[in-house]
Amino acid sequence: AQSVTQLDSHVSVSEGTPVLLRCNYSSSYSPSLFWYVQHPNKGLQLLLKYTSAATLVKGINGFEAEFKKSETSFHLTKPSAHMSDAAEYFCVVSEARNTNAGKSTFGDGTTLTVKP
Amino acid sequence: DSGVTQTPKHLITATGQRVTLRCSPRSGDLSVYWYQQSLDQGLQFLIQYYNGEERAKGNILERFSAQQFPDLHSELNLSSLELGDSALYFCASSVERLAGVYNEQFFGPGTRLTVL
Repeated sequence: AQSVTQLDSHVSVSEGTPVLLRCNYSSSYSPSLFWYVQHPNKGLQLLLKYTSAATLVKGINGFEAEFKKSETSFHLTKPSAHMSDAAEYFCVVSEARNTNAGKSTFGDGTTLTVKP
Repeated sequence: DSGVTQTPKHLITATGQRVTLRCSPRSGDLSVYWYQQSLDQGLQFLIQYYNGEERAKGNILERFSAQQFPDLHSELNLSSLELGDSALYFCASSVERLAGVYNEQFFGPGTRLTVL
């Protein structure tokens, strides 16, 4: 079984300050992990993904995440927030197992607010 | 633009009615996923099809059904609609040709269903 917990439902930062969105996961198999962003009234867009290669993953728009197996965490960070980063962020875990498809589990989402 | 298209963008209907939502995946993607997003329940995985066959099932009600056609487009049928079915319905697609590797999903813009 797999699960994902986003530790903060809301995060508020000032423009230009660092962003940290926290995600913990649980998985019986080697997981694939993803972060998606959703702007208001839009579909979800992939920010980055971890699939057992490098543990530090760089994504689009300056975001990155580090896979820490010992802590079962996959926190999303950005050095300097921009107003356009205000959105909802979803952490996703999936177990590929031996099939071509894996059922994915989405976290409840973290709403990021960026203050001017 | 993710390459996934969904129609219609908005749908307003009455309780007890039946509607069909349509999704065209990205060119070459074999898997299609359906999600429901509402304010009270967040993003819920409904069902996945892979190359025409049902692959995984999530929190899909018996009143809902889906299928994937030979040209890989998919339809989600919602019947006996209730007020609580009002939500954003997303379709996503992925390649998933590599065994044991979970590929990222590309999301469509969604269909907003309002049941009055």
